[in-house]
Amino acid sequence: AQTVTQSQPEMSVQEAETVTLSCTYDTSESDYYLFWYKQPPSRQMILVIRQEAYKQQNATENRFSVNFQKAAKSFSLKISDSQLGDAAMYFCAYRSAGGTSYGKLTFGQGTILTVHP
Amino acid sequence: NAGVTQTPKFQVLKTGQSMTLQCAQDMNHEYMSWYRQDPGMGLRLIHYSVGAGITDQGEVPNGYNVSRSTTEDFPLRLLSAAPSQTSVYFCASSLTGGVRNIQYFGAGTRLSVL
Repeated sequence: AQTVTQSQPEMSVQEAETVTLSCTYDTSESDYYLFWYKQPPSRQMILVIRQEAYKQQNATENRFSVNFQKAAKSFSLKISDSQLGDAAMYFCAYRSAGGTSYGKLTFGQGTILTVHP
Repeated sequence: NAGVTQTPKFQVLKTGQSMTLQCAQDMNHEYMSWYRQDPGMGLRLIHYSVGAGITDQGEVPNGYNVSRSTTEDFPLRLLSAAPSQTSVYFCASSLTGGVRNIQYFGAGTRLSVL
């Protein structure tokens, strides 16, 4: 079974600064997707960014980018020019390619990000 | 396009009561799933379905039943609620279970069992 670990329960950053959230995972699969979801106080799960395991190039979405280290099974999220609206819980998630885990998302424990003005 | 709709948004039950959490999607998605979110544990899969008439258990299925009679709907039933089922519940759907299909989430249901 796959596992996802977020070792930082809480992080904080000053507005306009950069912050990196950590995520590690364990899997024996070669084909999978990794995701970062944002959950603001409204509870809505919002997809921030995703990474295909077979792609070496790190995904980027505006101020959000990832550092994907496949051999190390590491998938960190970097938020540049942090804004007050970035304050939320962030979840790292893994989606299996097949077998008994077909379609299932496995989530990390979450990291609460606070942005200080 | 409504996406994934969950009802109700909040619910309080007494121990032993039963209820059904509703989930509907209008995107003709084959794959639907239910998660529960508890502090410090992220989201955990309860049950999922790969199409109408097909369901299977996830990581934490005990105390919950599901059925999928139509593509659009995937209700989650609590037959005899227990305080351990106090949680936030999310329904999600995707076109298929394929790894490249994004899962879309409903707004969640906060359930308290007293």
